[in-house]
Amino acid sequence: DQQVKQNSPSLSVQEGRISILNCDYTNSMFDYFLWYKKYPAEGPTFLISISSIKDKNEDGRFTVFLNKSAKHLSLHIVPSQPGDSAVYFCAATRGRAGSYQLTFGKGTKLSVIP
Amino acid sequence: GAGVSQSPSNKVTEKGKDVELRCDPISGHTALYWYRQSLGQGLEFLIYFQGNSAPDKSGLPSDRFSAERTGGSVSTLTIQRTQQEDSAVYLCASSLDGYEQFFGPGTRLTVL
Repeated sequence: DQQVKQNSPSLSVQEGRISILNCDYTNSMFDYFLWYKKYPAEGPTFLISISSIKDKNEDGRFTVFLNKSAKHLSLHIVPSQPGDSAVYFCAATRGRAGSYQLTFGKGTKLSVIP
Repeated sequence: GAGVSQSPSNKVTEKGKDVELRCDPISGHTALYWYRQSLGQGLEFLIYFQGNSAPDKSGLPSDRFSAERTGGSVSTLTIQRTQQEDSAVYLCASSLDGYEQFFGPGTRLTVL
Protein backbone atom coordinates (compact mmCIF):
# COMPACT_ATOMS: atom_id res chain seq x y z
CA ASP A 1 0.00 0.00 0.00
CA GLN A 2 1.64 3.21 -1.17
CA GLN A 3 1.33 5.85 1.53
CA VAL A 4 2.85 8.68 -0.53
CA LYS A 5 1.76 9.03 -4.13
CA GLN A 6 3.05 11.16 -6.94
CA ASN A 7 0.62 10.45 -9.74
CA SER A 8 2.48 12.29 -12.50
CA PRO A 9 5.63 10.42 -13.54
CA SER A 10 6.72 13.34 -15.70
CA LEU A 11 6.08 17.02 -16.33
CA SER A 12 7.35 19.39 -19.04
CA VAL A 13 7.33 23.15 -18.53
CA GLN A 14 8.62 26.09 -20.53
CA GLU A 15 11.46 28.08 -19.01
CA GLY A 16 10.11 31.04 -17.03
CA ARG A 17 6.73 29.45 -16.38
CA ILE A 18 5.48 27.88 -13.16
CA SER A 19 6.09 24.21 -12.40
CA ILE A 20 3.57 22.55 -10.07
CA LEU A 21 4.40 19.11 -8.71
CA ASN A 22 1.74 17.28 -6.73
CA CYS A 23 1.82 14.71 -3.97
CA ASP A 24 -0.91 12.88 -2.05
CA TYR A 25 -0.59 10.88 1.14
CA THR A 26 -2.83 8.48 3.00
CA ASN A 27 -1.32 8.26 6.49
CA SER A 28 -2.82 10.97 8.72
CA MET A 29 -0.01 10.37 11.24
CA PHE A 30 2.55 12.04 8.98
CA ASP A 31 3.56 15.36 10.55
CA TYR A 32 6.42 16.58 8.38
CA PHE A 33 6.79 16.68 4.63
CA LEU A 34 9.82 17.21 2.45
CA TRP A 35 10.73 17.60 -1.19
CA TYR A 36 13.97 16.21 -2.54
CA LYS A 37 15.54 16.78 -5.93
CA LYS A 38 17.61 14.12 -7.65
CA TYR A 39 19.94 14.32 -10.60
CA PRO A 40 21.07 11.13 -12.40
CA ALA A 41 23.84 9.19 -10.62
CA GLU A 42 23.56 11.41 -7.54
CA GLY A 43 21.80 11.01 -4.22
CA PRO A 44 18.67 13.07 -3.51
CA THR A 45 19.26 16.57 -2.19
CA PHE A 46 16.93 18.31 0.23
CA LEU A 47 14.95 21.13 -1.31
CA ILE A 48 12.24 22.37 1.04
CA SER A 49 10.05 21.09 3.86
CA ILE A 50 6.88 21.89 5.73
CA SER A 51 5.52 20.98 9.13
CA SER A 52 1.94 19.82 9.48
CA ILE A 53 1.16 22.88 11.60
CA LYS A 54 1.73 25.12 8.59
CA ASP A 55 0.02 25.38 5.22
CA LYS A 56 2.75 27.16 3.27
CA ASN A 57 6.52 27.45 3.27
CA GLU A 58 8.50 29.56 0.85
CA ASP A 59 12.19 29.57 -0.02
CA GLY A 60 13.18 31.71 -2.97
CA ARG A 61 11.65 30.29 -6.13
CA PHE A 62 10.26 27.27 -4.27
CA THR A 63 7.01 27.18 -2.32
CA VAL A 64 5.39 24.15 -0.75
CA PHE A 65 1.68 24.14 0.06
CA LEU A 66 0.04 21.67 2.42
CA ASN A 67 -3.69 20.90 2.50
CA LYS A 68 -4.12 18.58 5.48
CA SER A 69 -7.83 18.02 5.00
CA ALA A 70 -7.19 16.79 1.46
CA LYS A 71 -3.94 15.04 2.43
CA HIS A 72 -2.30 16.83 -0.44
CA LEU A 73 0.83 18.89 -0.91
CA SER A 74 2.32 20.64 -3.88
CA LEU A 75 5.63 22.17 -4.83
CA HIS A 76 5.60 25.33 -6.92
CA ILE A 77 8.69 26.47 -8.76
CA VAL A 78 8.53 29.93 -10.27
CA PRO A 79 10.09 30.91 -12.53
CA SER A 80 11.25 27.52 -13.76
CA GLN A 81 14.82 27.26 -15.03
CA PRO A 82 16.51 24.60 -17.18
CA GLY A 83 18.71 23.68 -14.19
CA ASP A 84 15.55 22.64 -12.34
CA SER A 85 15.26 19.63 -14.66
CA ALA A 86 15.53 16.63 -12.34
CA VAL A 87 13.41 14.02 -10.58
CA TYR A 88 11.51 15.42 -7.62
CA PHE A 89 10.54 13.17 -4.73
CA CYS A 90 7.91 13.95 -2.16
CA ALA A 91 8.57 12.42 1.28
CA ALA A 92 6.73 12.27 4.57
CA THR A 93 7.66 11.30 8.10
CA ARG A 94 6.21 10.80 11.55
CA GLY A 95 8.88 12.71 13.42
CA ARG A 96 7.03 12.69 16.69
CA ALA A 97 7.09 8.90 16.59
CA GLY A 98 10.84 9.13 16.95
CA SER A 99 12.16 7.27 13.95
CA TYR A 100 12.09 9.99 11.30
CA GLN A 101 12.21 7.39 8.56
CA LEU A 102 11.09 8.94 5.31
CA THR A 103 8.35 7.45 3.16
CA PHE A 104 8.88 8.50 -0.45
CA GLY A 105 6.72 8.80 -3.51
CA LYS A 106 7.95 7.35 -6.79
CA GLY A 107 9.03 10.74 -8.09
CA THR A 108 8.11 13.15 -10.88
CA LYS A 109 10.60 13.87 -13.63
CA LEU A 110 10.53 17.58 -14.41
CA SER A 111 11.85 18.82 -17.74
CA VAL A 112 12.21 22.57 -18.15
CA ILE A 113 12.41 23.45 -21.82
CA PRO A 114 14.56 26.47 -22.73
CA GLY B 1 34.62 15.13 4.04
CA ALA B 2 31.84 17.55 3.34
CA GLY B 3 29.11 15.07 2.55
CA VAL B 4 27.97 11.49 2.93
CA SER B 5 30.19 9.07 1.03
CA GLN B 6 29.40 5.53 -0.05
CA SER B 7 31.50 2.74 -1.46
CA PRO B 8 31.65 1.07 -3.84
CA SER B 9 29.76 3.22 -6.32
CA ASN B 10 28.93 0.13 -8.38
CA LYS B 11 28.89 -3.54 -7.46
CA VAL B 12 28.17 -6.46 -9.75
CA THR B 13 27.85 -9.82 -8.08
CA GLU B 14 26.60 -13.30 -8.81
CA LYS B 15 23.45 -14.67 -7.32
CA GLY B 16 24.15 -16.36 -3.99
CA LYS B 17 27.21 -14.29 -3.10
CA ASP B 18 27.41 -11.96 -0.10
CA VAL B 19 28.01 -8.22 -0.51
CA GLU B 20 28.99 -5.41 1.85
CA LEU B 21 28.14 -1.79 1.22
CA ARG B 22 29.78 1.01 3.16
CA CYS B 23 28.57 4.42 4.28
CA ASP B 24 30.55 7.26 5.83
CA PRO B 25 28.11 9.82 7.26
CA ILE B 26 28.70 13.51 7.78
CA SER B 27 30.86 14.02 10.84
CA GLY B 28 28.76 14.75 13.92
CA HIS B 29 25.50 13.42 12.51
CA THR B 30 24.02 11.04 15.04
CA ALA B 31 21.32 9.57 12.82
CA LEU B 32 22.08 7.26 9.89
CA TYR B 33 19.61 5.70 7.46
CA TRP B 34 19.74 3.13 4.69
CA TYR B 35 17.27 3.22 1.82
CA ARG B 36 17.09 1.46 -1.50
CA GLN B 37 15.60 2.44 -4.82
CA SER B 38 14.57 -0.31 -7.18
CA LEU B 39 13.94 0.42 -10.84
CA GLY B 40 10.89 2.63 -11.29
CA GLN B 41 10.23 2.82 -7.57
CA GLY B 42 10.57 5.43 -4.89
CA LEU B 43 13.09 5.14 -2.11
CA GLU B 44 12.29 2.39 0.37
CA PHE B 45 13.40 2.65 4.00
CA LEU B 46 15.57 -0.21 5.26
CA ILE B 47 17.12 0.61 8.65
CA TYR B 48 17.79 3.54 10.99
CA PHE B 49 20.53 4.11 13.59
CA GLN B 50 20.35 6.84 16.22
CA GLY B 51 23.28 7.25 18.56
CA ASN B 52 23.66 4.26 20.86
CA SER B 53 20.01 3.25 20.68
CA ALA B 54 18.92 -0.06 19.23
CA PRO B 55 18.47 0.33 15.46
CA ASP B 56 15.04 0.44 13.83
CA LYS B 57 15.21 -2.56 11.50
CA SER B 58 11.56 -2.49 10.50
CA GLY B 59 12.30 -1.89 6.81
CA LEU B 60 14.68 -4.78 6.20
CA PRO B 61 13.01 -7.04 3.59
CA SER B 62 14.42 -10.33 4.85
CA ASP B 63 16.88 -11.82 7.33
CA ARG B 64 19.48 -11.88 4.55
CA PHE B 65 19.87 -8.15 5.18
CA SER B 66 21.77 -6.78 8.17
CA ALA B 67 23.58 -3.58 9.06
CA GLU B 68 26.05 -2.37 11.62
CA ARG B 69 27.21 1.02 12.71
CA THR B 70 30.57 1.01 14.42
CA GLY B 71 31.59 3.72 16.85
CA GLY B 72 28.57 5.79 15.99
CA SER B 73 30.03 6.64 12.59
CA VAL B 74 30.67 4.31 9.64
CA SER B 75 27.95 1.86 8.71
CA THR B 76 28.03 -1.36 6.70
CA LEU B 77 25.00 -2.93 5.04
CA THR B 78 25.45 -6.63 4.38
CA ILE B 79 23.31 -8.70 2.03
CA GLN B 80 23.85 -12.45 2.28
CA ARG B 81 23.08 -14.92 -0.49
CA THR B 82 22.10 -12.16 -2.90
CA GLN B 83 19.09 -12.61 -5.18
CA GLN B 84 18.28 -10.87 -8.45
CA GLU B 85 15.49 -8.90 -6.76
CA ASP B 86 18.13 -7.31 -4.53
CA SER B 87 19.38 -5.34 -7.55
CA ALA B 88 18.82 -1.66 -6.73
CA VAL B 89 20.57 1.54 -5.78
CA TYR B 90 21.32 1.51 -2.06
CA LEU B 91 21.37 4.97 -0.52
CA CYS B 92 22.70 6.05 2.84
CA ALA B 93 21.66 9.27 4.57
CA SER B 94 22.72 11.00 7.76
CA SER B 95 21.03 13.65 9.82
CA LEU B 96 21.61 15.89 12.79
CA ASP B 97 18.00 16.58 13.69
CA GLY B 98 16.21 13.68 12.04
CA TYR B 99 14.10 15.68 9.64
CA GLU B 100 16.59 16.92 7.06
CA GLN B 101 18.50 13.93 5.78
CA PHE B 102 21.60 14.27 3.64
CA PHE B 103 22.06 11.50 1.12
CA GLY B 104 25.16 9.93 -0.32
CA PRO B 105 25.51 9.16 -4.05
CA GLY B 106 24.44 5.56 -3.58
CA THR B 107 25.80 2.14 -4.50
CA ARG B 108 24.31 0.54 -7.60
CA LEU B 109 24.06 -3.20 -6.94
CA THR B 110 23.52 -5.58 -9.81
CA VAL B 111 22.94 -9.25 -9.06
CA LEU B 112 23.42 -11.48 -12.09
